[in-house]
Amino acid sequence: AQSVTQLGSHVSVSEGALVLLRCNYSSSVPPYLFWYVQYPNQGLQLLLKYTTGATLVKGINGFEAEFKKSETSFHLTKPSAHMSDAAEYFCAVINTGGFKTIFGAGTRLFVKA
Amino acid sequence: EPEVTQTPSHQVTQMGQEVILRCVPISNHLYFYWYRQILGQKVEFLVSFYNNEISEKSEIFDDQFSVERPDGSNFTLKIRSTKLEDSAMYFCASSTAVPYEQYFGPGTRLTVT
Repeated sequence: AQSVTQLGSHVSVSEGALVLLRCNYSSSVPPYLFWYVQYPNQGLQLLLKYTTGATLVKGINGFEAEFKKSETSFHLTKPSAHMSDAAEYFCAVINTGGFKTIFGAGTRLFVKA
Repeated sequence: EPEVTQTPSHQVTQMGQEVILRCVPISNHLYFYWYRQILGQKVEFLVSFYNNEISEKSEIFDDQFSVERPDGSNFTLKIRSTKLEDSAMYFCASSTAVPYEQYFGPGTRLTVT
């Protein structure tokens, strides 16, 4: 069965520091990968996605992620954290041809002033 | 920018009552989904719907749940007899195709007392 593992339920960084949120997936076929962000009491907003092609994908708000098939990883990074980045981040996968998105447990990002 | 809308934003109901959660997907989308998120837990897939029938459903989506697209714009989730453990945030989503990105609504918080 497919699964998504996010290492670290909570990550705390200082404003201006690098943000690294880790995601590993298990899939028998190359998946489609997504990162979503959820601000308090709000819905899920797509940050970025990988489907095919370039393995380094750029998203909104300065975030990017790299698909590494050999490591089955799709880690999310941002060079410089901003206070407004404080939120919950979810990594998700859909199998090609699948109708179902499988989410990781989420990582809550705290940004310290 | 088109968005998925959901009503109501918060629904309180008594155990055993029926509830209907409503969603208006993005107008040119063809695939529709329901997910739920129990407080503090991950987002879980419930069901996907295409061409007026269920295309995939999870183990959670038992006989107490049903979905319907009663007209050209609405997509509903009905819980026939609510239980305390149905208390969660329910998200509707839609997409143009699979396995493309899914656009999520703001959610309906269901509280069963």
